[in-house]
Amino acid sequence: DGGITQSPKYLFRKEGQNVTLSCEQNLNHDAMYWYRQDPGQGLRLIYYSQIVNDFQKGDIAEGYSVSREKKESFPLTVTSAQKNPTAFYLCASSIENTGNTEAFFGQGTRLTVV
Amino acid sequence: SQQGEEDPQALSIQEGENATMNCSYKTSINNLQWYRQNSGRGLVHLILIRSNEREKHSGRLRVTLDTSKKSSSLLITASRAADTASYFCATDFYNAGGTSYGKLTFGQGTILTVHP
Repeated sequence: DGGITQSPKYLFRKEGQNVTLSCEQNLNHDAMYWYRQDPGQGLRLIYYSQIVNDFQKGDIAEGYSVSREKKESFPLTVTSAQKNPTAFYLCASSIENTGNTEAFFGQGTRLTVV
Repeated sequence: SQQGEEDPQALSIQEGENATMNCSYKTSINNLQWYRQNSGRGLVHLILIRSNEREKHSGRLRVTLDTSKKSSSLLITASRAADTASYFCATDFYNAGGTSYGKLTFGQGTILTVHP
């Protein structure tokens, strides 16, 4: 089955720790995105990548880092510099940039600071 | 800042009624998309309407776009309890140079509750 997979579904982080969220797609999509969603809020763009080995900051990139070494993978690291990381994180991909195509979303990772 | 703003924030209706949600945006867009999110899940794409289109249909969904008013509406006809979800509009808009940014900007969503 083709799709986009996020793992883990739930993640708990201690204060001061870095954690990495996984996002893998087998749709052969060029573009991938990371969004953050807070309760009752819309999605805010963290980082996006339109091609392998290239990525751009979104609206709220501070405290996050990404890599795009492979077409199918776009991991997100939440660093200790992110002061309020508790949120629902969504990864998405699209055939090309969303100028012309829909985005496909994973099922999300819920990150909680303990 | 978020590009799209949905209205109303919450909508509660009975099964069989129609549901209308509105989205307003601020700058010139390349396209506007509507997505659905069930509680605690990822988003599912519903429909994409381009800036040169005025109306699109997909099953019980009807989307309109008025670029002069910078607004769009999503109509769900004959609603069902299974339509209960959050609905988001998302825009891919142009930069000052006239090219698409190639990224979607989402509104805060409308929470739709359909009572059986």
